[in-house]
Amino acid sequence: QSVLTQPPSVSGAPGQRVTISCTGSSSNIGAGYDVHWYQHLPGTAPKLLIYGNNNRPSGVPDRFSGSKSGTSASLAITGLQAEDEADYYCQSYDSSLSGWVFGGGTKLTVL
Amino acid sequence: EVQLVESGGGLVQPGGSLRLSCAASGFTFSSYAMSWVRQAPGKGLEWVSTISGSGGSTYYADSVKGRFTISRDKSKNTMYVQMNSLRAEDTAVYYCAKAEFRTGEYYFDYWGQGTLVTVSS
Repeated sequence: QSVLTQPPSVSGAPGQRVTISCTGSSSNIGAGYDVHWYQHLPGTAPKLLIYGNNNRPSGVPDRFSGSKSGTSASLAITGLQAEDEADYYCQSYDSSLSGWVFGGGTKLTVL
Repeated sequence: EVQLVESGGGLVQPGGSLRLSCAASGFTFSSYAMSWVRQAPGKGLEWVSTISGSGGSTYYADSVKGRFTISRDKSKNTMYVQMNSLRAEDTAVYYCAKAEFRTGEYYFDYWGQGTLVTVSS
């Protein structure tokens, strides 16, 4: 059971918009710690997608955006493309555990 | 260009030991914290350990505390994790990640390709 809760899977057709939620608690997201998002294709290095809730590193398309409110955060992907099919993870810090925590991951399928 | 290359993975018996290495290049190694993150088969990412840029501070997940030791050698631009008393549940791909500090905590901006550790008799 992950400290941060994500839906196991989401799907969408090419060109559509999908969102992935990340629900935490008062010891992590709700405590004000930032949320970061990663894209991971099996067998490859995970890639930073969003840092500090809503900031995109250089090279990440603006189709990807993040938001945070209360004890939850969301990743939105617009204009879905086949290459977006991957696993997505949220990450934050947890003060009760004194460590960094990930969500369980969400598998995005592009129909 | 930032590059992180892990090595040292392999098959080890329960109760055994293994040392993983992460060779870093493309940035000022001693200026950044570094971390290990693992992914067990069919599971998600799990943070394992972090070491500060100076090496003076180390942090561990409860699941590995007392069994794993993280370290770094600035002369070799390399980070290590010594894994002792290995258990079947330590079986995973271990990723090395560069940690960026922001508003009081870290996130992981660059990752290696990972090295597989299998704990089995």
